[in-house]
Formats: sequence, structure tokens, C-alpha cells
Amino acid sequence: NAGVTQTPKFRVLKTGQSMTLLCAQDMNHEYMYWYRQDPGMGLRLIHYSVGEGTTAKGEVPDGYNVSRLKKQNFLLGLESAAPSQTSVYFCASSYSKLDRGQLEKLFFGSGTQLSVL
Amino acid sequence: GQSLEQPSEVTAVEGAIVQINCTYQTSGFYGLSWYQQHDGGAPTFLSYNALDGLEETGRFSSFLSRSDSYGYLLLQELQMKDSASYFCAVAHTGGFKTIFGAGTRLFVKA
Repeated sequence: NAGVTQTPKFRVLKTGQSMTLLCAQDMNHEYMYWYRQDPGMGLRLIHYSVGEGTTAKGEVPDGYNVSRLKKQNFLLGLESAAPSQTSVYFCASSYSKLDRGQLEKLFFGSGTQLSVL
Repeated sequence: GQSLEQPSEVTAVEGAIVQINCTYQTSGFYGLSWYQQHDGGAPTFLSYNALDGLEETGRFSSFLSRSDSYGYLLLQELQMKDSASYFCAVAHTGGFKTIFGAGTRLFVKA
């Protein structure tokens, strides 16, 4: 039972380079999220998706793009990396909206440490 | 806007009880959740309150008062392994997005 899997776990980029972070979940969850975590600032929502083919902006979407072509995958893209995007990135997923009690239980991946030089 | 406020740090002694508070400002949400995160690890779900009152899960309890825009996480019989960061979070009714507080770092001393 893999749960939520993120790849890669570590990455170093130069300013201006692009990359894609992959998140995959095997729990048939409708909702998927991308967060970034910086020291002292908790988890900030970048983008999220409420179903296959849909995406929406979170609190800090600038400089990032996402796609949800398949229900189990949620991709986060950086088109032109900047040092301000150095952070730990977490992907998460949650149950279908049909059960409100389970909606807020997020399952997280192990994170990606990204450094932009 | 929407925001959640938590203390940045709390220190307690092993075996004691500690309460971590969370106050929020939001237009509408389904409930208040709590997550634990150890250094270098991923956040893990602890508890969820959809209704006002106390929810108990083993040594952990969580409380919500919608009228006071306030909730708390109560940890009993503290153990050294409880040293971690604790986050409160709300899922907003507009868009079903989950927003987290900045987190409270709990230090448990022997």
C-alpha cells in the first residue's frame, strides 16, 4: 500500500531552469493538493484539484503550474525556477467530497526538497 | 480573508498535559483538523472536529467552538516522542481547499 508517492525526493536547480514534480496516489482520492513548507511559515497551499481535469489556485500560486490529467496523478511544474522557490514541497490527497467527515483528512507524501541556486 | 493563529512554541515536561490553541478567521469551513509533523517527516493526520465539542483519540483530544472561532489540541501523558510540530487546519466551503496554520513547535523535556 504505497499511499502518496512523490518524485523526486531531492533536486537542485539553477535559476531559470524548469522542472516537474510528480505526485501519485493509489487510494482513489478525488482531491489532491500541492503545498510548500518554509521555516516558520507552516504549509502554504500552491494549487489544488477537486477531480481529474480540474485545477485551482491556492494561497501562493505564482510561478507554478499544475495538471491533473489522470485521477491518480498531480503534477507541479516550475517553468523558470527562482531562489525564492527553494522549499520543501508536499503533495497530499483526500477522500471524495461525498463524505464531509473524511474530506479534511489529508494524506501526505514524503516531500521533495528543492534548492534553487 | 482567512487565517489561523497558533503559538509558535510550547514546552512541557514528560508525563504532563499540554494544550495547543488555534484561533481562526474564515468565512466558512467544514471543520477543524490537527496534524503532527516530526522533523524531516511528512504531516500526519491526528484528529478532526466537524461539530462543536471534544473529540478524543487515545492520548490526544481536540476541541472546537465555532461561536468563539477557537479550537485546541490537548495532549495527555506526554512522551518524548510527542516532540514535534502541530498544525491546525480548516477546509473551506468555497473550493474545498485546506489551509494550515503556521504550526506550534512542542518540546517535551525529561
